[in-house]
Amino acid sequence: SAVISQKPSRDICQRGTSLTIQCQVDSQVTMMFWYRQQPGQSLTLIATANQGSEATYESGFVIDKFPISRPNLTFSTLTVSNMSPEDSSIYLCSVAGQEGLNTGELFFGEGSRLTVL
Amino acid sequence: AQSVTQPDIHITVSEGASLELRCNYSYGATPYLFWYVQSPGQGLQLLLKYFSGDTLVQGIKGFEAEFKRSQSSFNLRKPSVHWSDAAEYFCAVAGGMNTGFQKLVFGTGTRLLVSP
Repeated sequence: SAVISQKPSRDICQRGTSLTIQCQVDSQVTMMFWYRQQPGQSLTLIATANQGSEATYESGFVIDKFPISRPNLTFSTLTVSNMSPEDSSIYLCSVAGQEGLNTGELFFGEGSRLTVL
Repeated sequence: AQSVTQPDIHITVSEGASLELRCNYSYGATPYLFWYVQSPGQGLQLLLKYFSGDTLVQGIKGFEAEFKRSQSSFNLRKPSVHWSDAAEYFCAVAGGMNTGFQKLVFGTGTRLLVSP
């Protein structure tokens, strides 16, 4: 298993500003994933972050809006840029456990709840 | 493309009663299926998973789920619900090793309320 810490746990932001969410894992992992959970909707994968390479974004998500950093094997950040009320969501960091890389089991942080006014 | 449907947005069950949460998936090949639980203020926790073999899988906290290919379903069950089971439950499907296990497709979730 993996223990994942996210910061901030919640924040209220003004329209047009940017916020960076941090994700720290207690073990080294190859892939880290960022999901968005919009109110009343399912979790949607934003991007996959690999250490030492550019993040891979899913359809509908772009680097300019959601820049991601992955400086080492235990840490990643997701920035939500130029926020609008539509970006109000819970953002979740997740990793595949050592076994999970081949089994699809993901471990999740507690999420960062963003409210954009 | 894969998709998951959880037809029940909310379910209320009396404590001690049995529970069944429905999940239907759409996927052309053998699916890899998961149930996650999200308690208030916490991240998602894996309850159980199905990859192959016995279609009835046991998970943590007394939960089980049955894979029925003919019905494209993977319903979650528990014989006796406890108040601490109140949470949101997500069904998810992955395409398998060739399509990227990490690309889980989640259902919209079912919120379980437990009444005294």
